[in-house]
Amino acid sequence: DAGVIQSPRHEVTEMGQEVTLRCKPISGHNSLFWYRQTMMRGLELLIYFNNNVPIDDSGMPEDRFSAKMPNASFSTLKIQPSEPRDSAVYFCASSLGTSGVEQFFGPGTRLTVL
Amino acid sequence: KNQVEQSPQSLIILEGKNCTLQCNYTVSPFSNLRWYKQDTGRGPVSLTIMTFSENTKSNGRYTATLDADTKQSSLHITASQLSDSASYICVVSAAGGYNKLIFGAGTRLAVHP
Repeated sequence: DAGVIQSPRHEVTEMGQEVTLRCKPISGHNSLFWYRQTMMRGLELLIYFNNNVPIDDSGMPEDRFSAKMPNASFSTLKIQPSEPRDSAVYFCASSLGTSGVEQFFGPGTRLTVL
Repeated sequence: KNQVEQSPQSLIILEGKNCTLQCNYTVSPFSNLRWYKQDTGRGPVSLTIMTFSENTKSNGRYTATLDADTKQSSLHITASQLSDSASYICVVSAAGGYNKLIFGAGTRLAVHP
């Protein structure tokens, strides 16, 4: 299995631009998570999908952030417009179920907003 | 407030030595506690998952302990190797709902030859 796949691995953009991060979860997994990691705040959950349905989006910072999961094998996290404070590493993770099961993380997308 | 605190923030040891990392949490109600290893530039990888009833769990040279009464956990690394250099993150899952993960800030371990 290829594991969780994220693209791009690195993204550099200018303030105000739209940024789209992509994730392909492990085949067969029904739970998908988007996290953000910064030096100051560590890892934080942004949004959680179960069976393609958003269950908890309380971690999404503001309306500039949106996430979709159109099918079981693809999810996107969009930032529009981007700001320098959005610079971070964004991880996607997937699991089969949620309670007491392992979450498998992707390699992350390092976003730099100038 | 649900929190996970780790100590030390960073640690340097010599190859072959043992070390112990600490984790204290205030998450309630408690579901399970995990230790993740995160190499530089990579996503976290799970080392152990322990539930309330488990006191210790091993994964090769990694041994995690859990004291649910005092809400403390430790990760012991035996006979360290250069490849153990990474950040180690303690993660606690709150019971109820979908068991949301609450992350500690991590301990950055450097193993020197």
